[in-house]
Parts: sequence; C-alpha cells; structure tokens
Amino acid sequence: TQLLEQSPQFLSIQEGENLTVYCNSSSVFSSLQWYRQEPGEGPVLLVTVVTGGEVKKLKRLTFQFGDARKDSSLHITAAQPGDTGLYLCAGADSASNTGKLIFGQGTTLQVKP
Amino acid sequence: EADIYQTPRYLVIGTGKKITLECSQTMGHDKMYWYQQDPGMELHLIHYSYGVNSTEKGDLSSESTVSRIRTEHFPLTLESARPSHTSQYLCASIRGGGGGEQFFGPGTRLTVL
Repeated sequence: TQLLEQSPQFLSIQEGENLTVYCNSSSVFSSLQWYRQEPGEGPVLLVTVVTGGEVKKLKRLTFQFGDARKDSSLHITAAQPGDTGLYLCAGADSASNTGKLIFGQGTTLQVKP
Repeated sequence: EADIYQTPRYLVIGTGKKITLECSQTMGHDKMYWYQQDPGMELHLIHYSYGVNSTEKGDLSSESTVSRIRTEHFPLTLESARPSHTSQYLCASIRGGGGGEQFFGPGTRLTVL
C-alpha cells in the first residue's frame, strides 16, 4: 500500500516567517501534486511536479520533487495571512491509469498578522 | 475555474434517514471520485468511476453506494444514515489518465444526529 507521510501536521507562525512542509514516502510516484484547501471548500491544485529533482516556483512558494520521486517539499518565503489553509500533497500511482491519488495527512498552516 | 457542483452544501439529518448527495460536472470528464474528509485531515477515497456504468469501491470502506448513469452525474447514497457518517464528502473529476489535476467540488458537510 502506498502511503504519504506529511509533516508537520500543524504550523502556526507569524507573518514574514519562512516555513517548509515535507511529504515523504517509501514508494515511487509518477508525479506529485500539492493542493491548498480553505475551510468549507474543496482542494485547489497549486502545482504538479513530474521529474525527479524538479523545482517549481509559484510566487513565494517553492516546490521540489526528490531525485528518486519518493518525496517532496513545499517552502513558503515570508508567509502572509492569506497563506493560511490546509496544504495537501498527493501522489499519482505510476503503475495505473486510474487517475487515483494518494493523499498525505495534510498540514494546517496558520499565519498570524 | 472548475465546473463541478455539489448539493447540498450542508445537511443535518436524523439517524436512519436515507440521503443522496449530488455531484455534477460540466467538463465532460470520464473519471469521477468521492472522498470522505474529517476537518483538517487527509482525504480518503470511498468510491470512483471510470465512466458511465462503471463504479468501484475506494480504499476506505463505506456503507454508501454510488451510480453513474450519465457522464456528468455521480450521486452518492446512504440508505440509513448513522452518526458515524458525519463528515465532509468531496466529489472530484479528472480528464484522461493518471497524474492529472483533480478538480474538486465545494463539498457537502453532513451531520447525522
């Protein structure tokens, strides 16, 4: 069974601080996605990383896919209150065409002004 | 913006009632999914469908059932709701094969008294 371990589960920081969220697995994924979910809404895709070692930037967010495609990280620089939300990583099964995703447990981020 | 809709958004019902949660998408996506999510936690796949007349159980056992008579419609039914069914239910869809973005509806927050 493929599992994704996400850490930390909760993070409360002050505006302007930097943070990193980790997503680790013993399994290889064909791609890894990061979603952000706000209360009362469904998750919305932030980025998909496909190639081992790939780094993608989305404004103050930097996403990295591990060389072996088993882990990923999300780094936020100078966090703002608008970054508050639940961040979920999700891995796609490389062996199937089902479109199914394996989700991590999520990281709840609170950025205080 | 994704065109995937869920109704109702909130539902409070008594034990033993039969309920149907509606999910519709106008994107012509073949694959659709139902997830169960407790507040701030990971998503657990309970049902998925590859297309019309195709339904499969997900990784998390659920007493609910689904049907897929039309491409755009993927309703979920609970014949007899119990307090243990209290949760958020999210519907999602994807075009094509694995690794693509899943588009999520806003979710239905179900409370069974």
